[in-house]
Amino acid sequence: QVQLVESGGGVVQPGRSLRLSCAASGFTFSTYAMHWVRQAPGKGLEWVAIISSDGSKKYYGDSVKGRFTISRDNSGNTLFLQMDSLRVEDTTVYYCVRDLDFWGQGMLVTVSS
Amino acid sequence: QTVVTQEPSLTVSPGGTVTLTCASSTGAVTSGYYPSWFQQKPGQPPTTLIYSTSHRQPWTPARFSGSLLGGKAALTLSNVQPEDEAEYYCLLYYNGPYVFGTGTKVTVL
Repeated sequence: QVQLVESGGGVVQPGRSLRLSCAASGFTFSTYAMHWVRQAPGKGLEWVAIISSDGSKKYYGDSVKGRFTISRDNSGNTLFLQMDSLRVEDTTVYYCVRDLDFWGQGMLVTVSS
Repeated sequence: QTVVTQEPSLTVSPGGTVTLTCASSTGAVTSGYYPSWFQQKPGQPPTTLIYSTSHRQPWTPARFSGSLLGGKAALTLSNVQPEDEAEYYCLLYYNGPYVFGTGTKVTVL
């Protein structure tokens, strides 16, 4: 069955960096576009980024553009989100999503001094 | 900055019908925005109900239907069940990036 397991979250100070990973299994990872979506506590969903199946195309939401980088390793079936210059408002649960059809369980990132 | 607007809350009786809408600040929503709809219950990740305006996922009950209505994307819940009480989000495609709607809280009462 399809599984998406996020990891790499935790507590980080403002201005620092963090790298999230999403391990995919149960499907042919290299044939699907992948997204990151986030949700602040008690708030709505915010689309973060997308990467095409081969990694050649990437797009970002306005609030993370220039600070976050999405990437993937198709040989290792893993999706990444490199988050730099983190801000307090980046404190959210980050979801890995397969082509907008299947969602991971989410990973909490807390940015706090 | 693009804003996608949904009704903040709607209430429906069990067995009734309710329609949620999704409007874009850039103008009329068309099929080219590939509207998707998601359901989220408290403490759970979202699940995908509808993609490309009106296509159900294999796990989506037939009482959920998607359409375009008056320049907006729409999600209609028919024969509403108590378990349909949840937050619903739309998502629109803008030729590269996507934007989520503000979300609609559906209460079944």
